[in-house]
Amino acid sequence: EVQLVESGGGLVQPGGSLRLSCAASGFTFSSYEMNWVRQAPGKGLEWVSYISSSGTTIYYADSVKGRFTISRDNPKNSLYLQMNGLRAEDTAVYYCARETSPVVGAWGPFDIWGQGTMVTVSS
Amino acid sequence: DIQMTQSPSSLSASVGDRVTITCRASQSIIRYLNWYQQKPGKAPKVLIYSASTLQSGVPSRFSGSGSGTDFTLTITSLQPEDFATYYCQQSYSTPRTFGQGTKVEIK
Repeated sequence: EVQLVESGGGLVQPGGSLRLSCAASGFTFSSYEMNWVRQAPGKGLEWVSYISSSGTTIYYADSVKGRFTISRDNPKNSLYLQMNGLRAEDTAVYYCARETSPVVGAWGPFDIWGQGTMVTVSS
Repeated sequence: DIQMTQSPSSLSASVGDRVTITCRASQSIIRYLNWYQQKPGKAPKVLIYSASTLQSGVPSRFSGSGSGTDFTLTITSLQPEDFATYYCQQSYSTPRTFGQGTKVEIK
């Protein structure tokens, strides 16, 4: 079964750090681009970060640039999001999502999502 | 950044109704437009990609159309399991912006 499972969420104080993990199974992880998407309570979806299949190309939303770091370990079929300098506005469910590309050289939809992990930033 | 604007933000409909949701991009995204469905407490699920291609396993009552800046998601004959929030997303450029969502509620 194709699956993504996030872990690492929790309660952290403002200014603190957390590392989220996403374990992939059921597909060739190293062949796919991956993303993190978050959703604040009662709000819409916000794209956070992208990493290419090899890990050489990375993008961030302006809201997290300089504070968050995306990485992957292909032999371990794992995706990570290191979050530093956390703020109250980072409180959200964080999803990892696999990206598929229906057209070579173009980005595509996020076709597989994890169940999400909740991050709460509060004192 | 490309802004995605959905309308309406919410709608009430009955089982069997035809529902149309629109999504407008702030600049041309050609046909790099995806639609997702999200139910409470669940992860989003892709319904349509490349503006009009139905994701495998998605019922044919869902369809998408449009190009450039204006796109539409149509649900013909709304079913009880279709009551959810729908999001559009552009995959033309980074950041991969989402629309604000359209909540489809039971009338």
